[in-house]
Amino acid sequence: RKEVEQDPGPFNVPEGATVAFNCTYSNSASQSFFWYRQDCRKEPKLLMSVYSSGNEDGRFTAQLNRASQYISLLIRDSKLSDSATYLCVVRVTGGGNKLTFGTGTQLKVEL
Amino acid sequence: DAGITQSPRHKVTETGTPVTLRCHQTENHRYMYWYRQDPGHGLRLIHYSYGVKDTDKGEVSDGYSVSRSKTEDFLLTLESATSSQTSVYFCAISEDGSPGGYTFGSGTRLTVV
Repeated sequence: RKEVEQDPGPFNVPEGATVAFNCTYSNSASQSFFWYRQDCRKEPKLLMSVYSSGNEDGRFTAQLNRASQYISLLIRDSKLSDSATYLCVVRVTGGGNKLTFGTGTQLKVEL
Repeated sequence: DAGITQSPRHKVTETGTPVTLRCHQTENHRYMYWYRQDPGHGLRLIHYSYGVKDTDKGEVSDGYSVSRSKTEDFLLTLESATSSQTSVYFCAISEDGSPGGYTFGSGTRLTVV
């Protein structure tokens, strides 16, 4: 079983739609959580951290459920520019500040 | 954006030849990482460093070695390249002790023929 699992998609949605991505992680010692965005043939970039209480950044809302070991990302009012792959990322307690990445969910926003 | 550069950006090499990829940062961050990204696998950690001359293995370290003689440089070496090492290689940096995420370099696209 992969440490971080995501639906690979692609999710094809019309502009203006709301779309949600889910992610599960297997290690209960995971302590920090993130969503990264990766454009085609580019490097991943941090989109937002995910906090236990849930957090919002403009059109993006992240939620964490530690009991179910589940993370979500909600994108409201999708834009064409949101088309990318979204990576779910966790950090496990321990040395090295190492992050473990999911394989990503591809989003395509269409006119 | 944080100063992190990778070189070369693209490389084609022959099976059995040694290859060294360079990651250079200007942020004085303690932690540096090498990942490879392949379809269906996502990003996988090869090696990482937590200081000068302090390195450790990641989940896919076989066939790779690293060195960090200066804070700013982290080198990844493929001692004898194989076709299975054809991949996109990303370097990342992280601040000292921060629980935050990483900043990535632009990647090196390596093809082993």
